[in-house]
Amino acid sequence: DQQVKQNSPSLSVQEGRISILNCDYTNSMFDYFLWYKKYPAEGPTFLISISSIKDKNEDGRFTVFLNKSAKHLSLHIVPSQPGDSAVYFCAASVEGAQKLVFGQGTRLTINP
Amino acid sequence: DAGITQSPRHKVTETGTPVTLRCHQTENHRYMYWYRQDPGHGLRLIHYSYGVKDTDKGEVSDGYSVSRSKTEDFLLTLESATSSQTSVYFCAISESIDEQYFGPGTRLTVT
Repeated sequence: DQQVKQNSPSLSVQEGRISILNCDYTNSMFDYFLWYKKYPAEGPTFLISISSIKDKNEDGRFTVFLNKSAKHLSLHIVPSQPGDSAVYFCAASVEGAQKLVFGQGTRLTINP
Repeated sequence: DAGITQSPRHKVTETGTPVTLRCHQTENHRYMYWYRQDPGHGLRLIHYSYGVKDTDKGEVSDGYSVSRSKTEDFLLTLESATSSQTSVYFCAISESIDEQYFGPGTRLTVT
């Protein structure tokens, strides 16, 4: 039972354009959501997060949107840069659980 | 970068042999985690620890055991390795849910 789903295994975007990565979840108890970025042969690194009391969080070129009624979150990257090429994982947690549930990941490729 | 190392970084072993992977941290973080990463599955939690000698199972714990006798070390043991345990294993540490720091990973191949 996949509680966190990233239905697009890959995404290709032109440099300078917007990249939109999507994530859906099924567990309504999730109240904290995170995005991690992973380069080949490295561990994932934290990118941005959002609490369920918000619907948007922005950090520079990265914005995460949360739609609780649809159980959907998305990561927007504007403008996309070649260094953004990586695998992106969304993750979710329940307050107090100290555990994360990850999606399958989306490989983002930024084309020059 | 958080001080977290994993050893070995690569290992090839035969089916049925025991394998131990080590995670070492210098950050004195309370929580430590072991994940495996497989194509199509993302990162799945194997076991985690919330203190010395305090551990709990994750979603894919069958075939794995862990131990944490010191704050800085978290060991993952495959008692009898199987080909289905061929994977990339990541250790992570945290003090709060939004700051999980990951190690560089261990690529394990079971032949």
